[in-house]
Amino acid sequence: DAGVIQSPRHEVTEMGQEVTLRCKPISGHNSLFWYRQTMMRGLELLIYFNNNVPIDDSGMPEDRFSAKMPNASFSTLKIQPSEPRDSAVYFCASSRGKGVQEKLFFGSGTQLSVL
Amino acid sequence: TQLLEQSPQFLSIQEGENLTVYCNSSSVFSSLQWYRQEPGEGPVLLVTVVTGGEVKKLKRLTFQFGDARKDSSLHITAAQPGDTGLYLCAGVGDTGANSKLTFGKGITLSVRP
Repeated sequence: DAGVIQSPRHEVTEMGQEVTLRCKPISGHNSLFWYRQTMMRGLELLIYFNNNVPIDDSGMPEDRFSAKMPNASFSTLKIQPSEPRDSAVYFCASSRGKGVQEKLFFGSGTQLSVL
Repeated sequence: TQLLEQSPQFLSIQEGENLTVYCNSSSVFSSLQWYRQEPGEGPVLLVTVVTGGEVKKLKRLTFQFGDARKDSSLHITAAQPGDTGLYLCAGVGDTGANSKLTFGKGITLSVRP
């Protein structure tokens, strides 16, 4: 079975550029989560969707960040404009149920470097 | 905000040794999960504990949830190089407003052959 698929695996961009990260959740999963991981702050929840609807976006750092889930099999996280402090590993995860206590299946992440 | 403190932050041991690491909070959790993350990959769920005092075993790994559901420990017996990785605990808040999964910063374990 295919797991959660993220692209690209690595992204290097210059400050001010737009960055789009992509995620395909596991088929049949109802919830999708975007996390950011840094050494300083660990793993932080940015936003999560249930049945394609954003439920909690309180972790989105600021207006430069936006996320969409146009259908059950695809989500994007966009940063515009990007800044060096956005450099981190961004993970997408999906789960079967609605609740946050459900088992999360993580993708391999996108390593973002903003120069 | 419910904080999870994990300790020690880094641990380097010899193959065959036993170890215990901790996940502590001042908040009560309805459930707590442990994940292991290898370099270049996402975290993978190891176990979920739900009941205060609960003990779960996964081969050489023993997980315990504190009686008050505020803390948890992970004990590894006879560690092997394959146990190397980042161990993350994550708790789900006990009240509606705090019902989100919060991760600790993790414990980096290195097991030397």
